[in-house]
Amino acid sequence: DAGITQSPRYKITETGRQVTLMCHQTWSHSYMFWYRQDLGHGLRLIYYSAAADITDKGEVPDGYVVSRSKTENFPLTLESATRSQTSVYFCASTGLASDTQYFGPGTRLTVL
Amino acid sequence: GENVEQHPSTLSVQEGDSAVIKCTYSDSASNYFPWYKQELGKRPQLIIDIRSNVGEKKDQRIAVTLNKTAKHFSLHITETQPEDSAVYFCAASETQGGSEKLVFGKGTKLTVNP
Repeated sequence: DAGITQSPRYKITETGRQVTLMCHQTWSHSYMFWYRQDLGHGLRLIYYSAAADITDKGEVPDGYVVSRSKTENFPLTLESATRSQTSVYFCASTGLASDTQYFGPGTRLTVL
Repeated sequence: GENVEQHPSTLSVQEGDSAVIKCTYSDSASNYFPWYKQELGKRPQLIIDIRSNVGEKKDQRIAVTLNKTAKHFSLHITETQPEDSAVYFCAASETQGGSEKLVFGKGTKLTVNP
């Protein structure tokens, strides 16, 4: 688990501001994912990446942007934060498709 | 795309009893079914998984069964202990469009009463 980290762990921001959440993994995993977790909704996929420079939308991509210039990093940007984006965000990675995903510790984001 | 339904949403048992959580999935092409445990304030962690070529898998007090025909799979926890209290998520792999990812159920909050 120590191989995947997220920063910051807690963030408070205001509506309309741009926010970037960072995810870093040291396993050289090909696949990386961003989820948001809200009460009653479980884990919902925002974006994922199969390799550097390859990203694709998940279930709830609106309002988010991702990039993956290096295999180990997968930042998630909220271009103009809204209150509905208040959530806990988890990054995950796996070396193979259809295999165990390892989750980061999460970032709790509050948008005021 | 894949859709995963999980039941019940909450489950309360007495210590020592068994607990069963059930999930159904919609995509017959799904071939990987993990279960994650999430303690309060922590990250989800894999506790057991099963692939479509296997009907049952056990790991000490935890077992998972898979019925491909009915498209459902279940988590069984025997001799429950207070430390089993957590939220449990099932998931199924989705292979739509050549990209593989997991679709999660909405979770079951398990409470084990001493």
